[in-house]
Amino acid sequence: AQKVTQAQTEISVVEKEDVTLDCVYETRDTTYYLFWYKQPPSGELVFLIRRNSFDEQNEISGRYSWNFQKSTSSFNFTITASQVVDSAVYFCALTVYNTDKLIFGTGTRLQVFP
Amino acid sequence: NAGVTQTPKFRVLKTGQSMTLLCAQDMNHEYMYWYRQDPGMGLRLIHYSVGEGTTAKGEVPDGYNVSRLKKQNFLLGLESAAPSQTSVYFCATRRLAEGLENEQFFGPGTRLTVL
Repeated sequence: AQKVTQAQTEISVVEKEDVTLDCVYETRDTTYYLFWYKQPPSGELVFLIRRNSFDEQNEISGRYSWNFQKSTSSFNFTITASQVVDSAVYFCALTVYNTDKLIFGTGTRLQVFP
Repeated sequence: NAGVTQTPKFRVLKTGQSMTLLCAQDMNHEYMYWYRQDPGMGLRLIHYSVGEGTTAKGEVPDGYNVSRLKKQNFLLGLESAAPSQTSVYFCATRRLAEGLENEQFFGPGTRLTVL
């Protein structure tokens, strides 16, 4: 069975601080994909990144970066110099190849205060 | 392009009433999904469809039915609503691509309250 754990329920930071959101996953399959989604206060879910299990390269996109480590089954998300607009619930999710289903973690609520 | 739309945005039902939620997409995606989001539980898959005329059960299918008569529409029905079905419902779509698991695109959500 597959599982995604986001142990941090809520994180509060002050603007310009760096913050890392943790994601730990479980699967016995060798081919899988990991995702991060953002849910701002308006409620919609916004896709941020997809990573497959064969690509352990870290990725940076502006202030966002992702650290994928198969050795620890983790796919952590770091926001550098956080801004108030980063306040949202962030979901990590996992899909195993050819299963058609996405397994979500319970989400981490990030609050960035000015 | 509208992307993924959901109708209605809000609804209040009494226990035992029925209703249908409509998801429509204009992206020509093969896969469509219905999720529910409850506090502290993330998103849980109710039913999904891998193509027109096909449906399959997800993690929490009880109390719901679905139909995919047209590729662009995915309907979620509650035959006899219960307070436990109070939730925010999200529809999502995904493009079929050989050898890949693409990301899902989500609708804006429907907030349902069952009294």
